[in-house]
Amino acid sequence: DAKTTQPTSMDCAEGRAANLPCNHSTISGNEYVYWYRQIHSQGPQYIIHGLKNNETNEMASLIITEDRKSSTLILPHATLRDTAVYYCIVWNTGTASKLTFGTGTRLQVTL
Amino acid sequence: SAVISQKPSRDICQRGTSLTIQCQVDSQVTMMFWYRQQPGQSLTLIATANQGSEATYESGFVIDKFPISRPNLTFSTLTVSNMSPEDSSIYLCSVELAPGGANVLTFGAGSRLTVL
Repeated sequence: DAKTTQPTSMDCAEGRAANLPCNHSTISGNEYVYWYRQIHSQGPQYIIHGLKNNETNEMASLIITEDRKSSTLILPHATLRDTAVYYCIVWNTGTASKLTFGTGTRLQVTL
Repeated sequence: SAVISQKPSRDICQRGTSLTIQCQVDSQVTMMFWYRQQPGQSLTLIATANQGSEATYESGFVIDKFPISRPNLTFSTLTVSNMSPEDSSIYLCSVELAPGGANVLTFGAGSRLTVL
């Protein structure tokens, strides 16, 4: 079973920040939080990941709460091309554990 | 990041036949993964394929139905055997890399299979 809970869907106006929440209350100390997205008819695309510190790259920012039980993916200026399903995943990369996808959040960016 | 090529990108097959999906990576990788994505659903891991050993299958998936080959560090195949309409899905190949020390799974574009 997936260890994360995400809203089923969200809308965001183009040019505004999209804030996608994720709950992972059972995360263990050596599990990272990963975010992927899947644009229609394509394979999932890696966005960002973090352990306990906030992270930022050219695509997005990841805010992880101090207790690590939840996180938020931020797309600072959403565009129509950001319309996709966004998956929040917890993954212990140091073991043979596998990347398990939950149901994700379907983000619709509108004009 | 790695470039992954899957063939075929899509196919329409008849019930009872088998189809082999190929996955080619542009760099050598130890671990390759096969996922299935049924219509409107999330991704489900089928098996992990390491070069030089038998594939490890997840619960609900068996080798007779989904035989996997891993002849070298850049290539793998997944066969969907004795297909039924329930096998209509997107099948995705992925590899685990560690660019800059961060483990990341990179996915192919997928093979969309329709079984009539």
